[in-house]
Formats: sequence, C-alpha cells, structure tokens
Amino acid sequence: DVKVTQSSRYLVKRTGEKVFLECVQDMDHENMFWYRQDPGLGLRLIYFSYDVKMKEKGDIPEGYSVSREKKERFSLILESASTNQTSMYLCASTEPGQGDYGYTFGSGTRLTVV
Amino acid sequence: GEDVEQSLFLSVREGDSSVINCTYTDSSSTYLYWYKQEPGAGLQLLTYIFSNMDMKQDQRLTVLLNKKDKHLSLRIADTQTGDSAIYFCAGSNDYKLSFGAGTTVTVRA
Repeated sequence: DVKVTQSSRYLVKRTGEKVFLECVQDMDHENMFWYRQDPGLGLRLIYFSYDVKMKEKGDIPEGYSVSREKKERFSLILESASTNQTSMYLCASTEPGQGDYGYTFGSGTRLTVV
Repeated sequence: GEDVEQSLFLSVREGDSSVINCTYTDSSSTYLYWYKQEPGAGLQLLTYIFSNMDMKQDQRLTVLLNKKDKHLSLRIADTQTGDSAIYFCAGSNDYKLSFGAGTTVTVRA
C-alpha cells in the first residue's frame, strides 16, 4: 500500500528550538508539499518541491525552510520555533498529471511549541 | 492562489442526506476535489471532478459542479455515523491545491 509517512505524530518543543519535521513517500512522486492546518483556516501551503533540491515558497513560508536532498524525503525546518507555529503539519505528495488521484497525505504531525 | 470558501459546520440526522457546499474563485482549476479528514488522521481523497463535467456519482457520493457560479457541492446519501468528519473542498492550480477551511459534519442519531 502506497503511503506518505511523517516521522512523528506528536511533538512538543520549546520556543527558540530548531525543529525538523520529516516526511517520506514510497511512490516515487516528484512533487511534495508541506501544509499547516489550523481550525477555521483550513490547510495553508508552506513550501513545496517539484524535484530534488528544488523548492518553492507557498503562501506562508515565513519562519520555515525546507530540504529535499532525496526524491523520497522532504523535510520542514522551523529555524527558531515560536508559539504561533503550534499547529498540525501535513505532508503530501503527488505526481504531475495525476489529477484524478489528487494528493496522498501523511497522517500529520501535531506540533506544540511551549 | 485560488480562494475556496465553505461553511464551517453541518449537523445532519443519521439516514438523511448531507449537502456540503463550496465556492471557488479560479475558473482555470482543472480538477476539483473533496477530501475527508477523520479525527487524528490525515486527509483522504473522497472523490474528484474534472472541470468539464457537471456531475459525478460514486456510490453514496454525488458531486455537482456549476462552473458559471463557481460552485461545487458534495451530497452524501444515507448519512452514517462513520461519515462524521471534516470535509475539505480543493481546487487545483498547476499541481498546487488550494483548500477551503473545511466543513465539520456531525451525524446525530
């Protein structure tokens, strides 16, 4: 069964810490995405990548960076965590032209910054 | 990016039909999607519709697309307790998806 795996379901970090959220997909997809989900706001795109070592900013990239050294892995980095980054983070992947399959999502990482 | 709007809450009695509505701004979206999120889980693709279609039916699910009004709806027939979840509509722009805020559907006995 194809899947997108996020390494942590729950994470608690302190303000100012550097935080790494990891995402791995086994579908050989080219495109990978990081979203954050907040009640009443839906999903907002942070960063996406359409190839290894390629990245593009989404709608809310401030305070985040990403890394894609290998096709299957897309990491989200919070350079200096702040309380307003407490959220659910969702990783997704897709293959260009596969609109009828949409995205495949991971189960999410709920991050709390204290 | 695309703006997608949907109402936040819907309460429905078990066995009735649920209708979740969504409006979008970008008429160039190739596909429009409905995703379901159960508590503590990621998003699961429920169904999708290609932009040149008006309707798509898939078992208990019916998607209606009104391109003129940029309105998308999802009808769930014979709603069950397992249908309680958050439902997101989304539109595609290239390979990026823009999501609505999500409609929380509560099924009451």
